[in-house]
Amino acid sequence: DADVTQTPRNRITKTGKRIMLECSQTKGHDRMYWYRQDPGLGLRLIYYSFDVKDINKGEISDGYSVSRQAQAKFSLSLESAIPNQTALYFCATSDGLASGELFFGEGSRLTVL
Amino acid sequence: AQTVTQSQPEMSVQEAETVTLSCTYDTSENNYYLFWYKQPPSRQMILVIRQEAYKQQNATENRFSVNFQKAAKSFSLKISDSQLGDTAMYFCAFILTDSWGKFQFGAGTQVVVTP
Repeated sequence: DADVTQTPRNRITKTGKRIMLECSQTKGHDRMYWYRQDPGLGLRLIYYSFDVKDINKGEISDGYSVSRQAQAKFSLSLESAIPNQTALYFCATSDGLASGELFFGEGSRLTVL
Repeated sequence: AQTVTQSQPEMSVQEAETVTLSCTYDTSENNYYLFWYKQPPSRQMILVIRQEAYKQQNATENRFSVNFQKAAKSFSLKISDSQLGDTAMYFCAFILTDSWGKFQFGAGTQVVVTP
C-alpha cells in the first residue's frame, strides 16, 4: 500500500459543486501539504499544516479550504468548484528534518465542467 | 520571493545517450536545498536527486548527476545512458531551510527517450 494515499484519483464534477479531496498517510509525518499542478506552471502550494492545530495558507489558497482531522489525515475542499480549478492535485508529507524531501501521493485529477 | 526557471519545455534523447536539463533559481538566501523530481506517465512524483547548498560537491545518484553552480544560481541535471524508463516530466525544486515544505517548483521539462 502507498504511504500517502489520495482519494479520489479522478473526479469529474460540475461548476458550483462542493468537492473534497482526501489524503491519508502512514509515514508518521507531522507535516502535510496540498499542491496543485497545472501544465507550464509546475506545482504550486495551496495549504500546508505542520500539526493538527497549525494550518497555513500557501500561495494559491483562494477558493480552497482544508481540514486536518488527525495527524494522518488532511483534506482539501473546493466549496464551489469552478472550471479554472481543473488541475492535478497532490498531497505530500515531510518529516521536517534535514532531508527536506517531500513524499507525494499519487495525485487526484479534478475536472470541473 | 524565490523563483525557479526551467527554460526547456521538452527535450528528446536517444537511448544510451546523455541529456542535460537546465534549471536556474533566484534567491538572496544562503541556506537552501535543491531537488530534481521525476514524474513518469503514472504521475507519481519521485525524488531523483537532492543537493544541499552548503555542499560544494555535486550530488550523484547512479546515472543522474547535477552541476550545481551556486554563484550562478544554476542547478542542471544530467541523465547519462538514458533509458526508456527515464521518459518523464522533470521538475526542479527549491526550498529554504527555514521554510520546510514550501517548495518552489519550476514549470517542468518533458524528457522523451526514443529507441
